[in-house]
Amino acid sequence: KAGVTQTPRYLIKTRGQQVTLSCSPISGHRSVSWYQQTPGQGLQFLFEYFSETQRNKGNFPGRFSGRQFSNSRSEMNVSTLELGDSALYLCASSFNSGIITDTQYFGPGTRLTVL
Amino acid sequence: GNSVTQMEGPVTLSEEAFLTINCTYTATGYPSLFWYVQYPGEGLQLLLKATKADDKGSNKGFEATYRKETTSFHLEKGSVQVSDSAVYFCALDNYGQNFVFGPGTRLSVLP
Repeated sequence: KAGVTQTPRYLIKTRGQQVTLSCSPISGHRSVSWYQQTPGQGLQFLFEYFSETQRNKGNFPGRFSGRQFSNSRSEMNVSTLELGDSALYLCASSFNSGIITDTQYFGPGTRLTVL
Repeated sequence: GNSVTQMEGPVTLSEEAFLTINCTYTATGYPSLFWYVQYPGEGLQLLLKATKADDKGSNKGFEATYRKETTSFHLEKGSVQVSDSAVYFCALDNYGQNFVFGPGTRLSVLP
């Protein structure tokens, strides 16, 4: 079974630009979560999508948004990039119906650098 | 709310030493508990998990026991190797609420 894939793996942008990151979950998984990882703040939860609906949301500004498609693939968008948005963005998928606990499986991440 | 606390390290050990990384949690009900590992330049990989009290998760020589009375899930390994050098994250999942991760503990194992 193929794992979680994320594209692109590396990205360099300049301040003010916007960026879209993509995540393909493990086949059959309907939940996709996004995290931002930085040396200073550690792993921070951005949002979770389940069946094309945002189910949980972390404490990030509205510049961070996401969506999920009917095939469970998800995209994350960051508008008006700031230097502080430089981070490793991780996507995780799970079967998680919300009724039982489940394991999250992570992709390799997208390393975003904002200049 | 749910939270996870773990020793932040860094932890530096010699090869074949005994490893303990402490993890405690705060949550209502009966969450599932996880240890994830992140090798340099990679995403997180599930190391082990436990879904109910007194369960022991184990994998690759690592073990952790779900202790509800002390709300802990400490990670142990009897003899670490250089290849175990990584960052270890303790996490919990509480029935469909978003995963909560600890700050991570960096482990360096010296030959």
